[in-house]
Amino acid sequence: AQKITQTQPGMFVQEKEAVTLDCTYDTSDPSYGLFWYKQPSSGEMIFLIYQGSYDQQNATEGRYSLNFQKARKSANLVISASQLGDSAMYFCAMREGGTGNQFYFGTGTSLTVIP
Amino acid sequence: KAGVTQTPRYLIKTRGQQVTLSCSPISGHRSVSWYQQTPGQGLQFLFEYFSETQRNKGNFPGRFSGRQFSNSRSEMNVSTLELGDSALYLCASSKKGGQGVDTIYFGEGSWLTVV
Repeated sequence: AQKITQTQPGMFVQEKEAVTLDCTYDTSDPSYGLFWYKQPSSGEMIFLIYQGSYDQQNATEGRYSLNFQKARKSANLVISASQLGDSAMYFCAMREGGTGNQFYFGTGTSLTVIP
Repeated sequence: KAGVTQTPRYLIKTRGQQVTLSCSPISGHRSVSWYQQTPGQGLQFLFEYFSETQRNKGNFPGRFSGRQFSNSRSEMNVSTLELGDSALYLCASSKKGGQGVDTIYFGEGSWLTVV
């Protein structure tokens, strides 16, 4: 089974609108971390936000927030007030406890912001 | 603060040759991991090094190898190159090697084309 599933290959959003990128995960480890990365066309992966499995509150970082629903095993990324520079690939990733730094990545969602 | 530096950025090799890619982590980071990114398979974990020891290894053939030096710099080597090895190879480093919010920071990657 896939550890990380991103079901939206491509998304479009109007500039200044909010958009939600879906991510579900699969693990039996009670300790894990969930991450979102942005990859512009240049190729570099940029860290956006982190959510720990024991965190009680949803993580927020500026215009990024993570909608963490533990029972449903989902960790959706919400980008508010979209900007043209947000157009990129977005990857959801998970690190399970005790695995060092082995990350499992989803297949990504390509986000296009329309002026 | 300098980021993760990967060299070379672009290279073209012939089938059967070998290639060595280099990665300099962020200063003070002791964990270095490598990922292969292809359109078909997405981001796949190759291996992780922590304090010069390989701690985790992904599901790749023995042609893929790596090492880490005492200054945390890392190299990965691919021998007997195949066309399917054409990919973006990403190096990532982290300070604590997989604890809590300790995220990984990526370099810009090395684009390898095998002809």
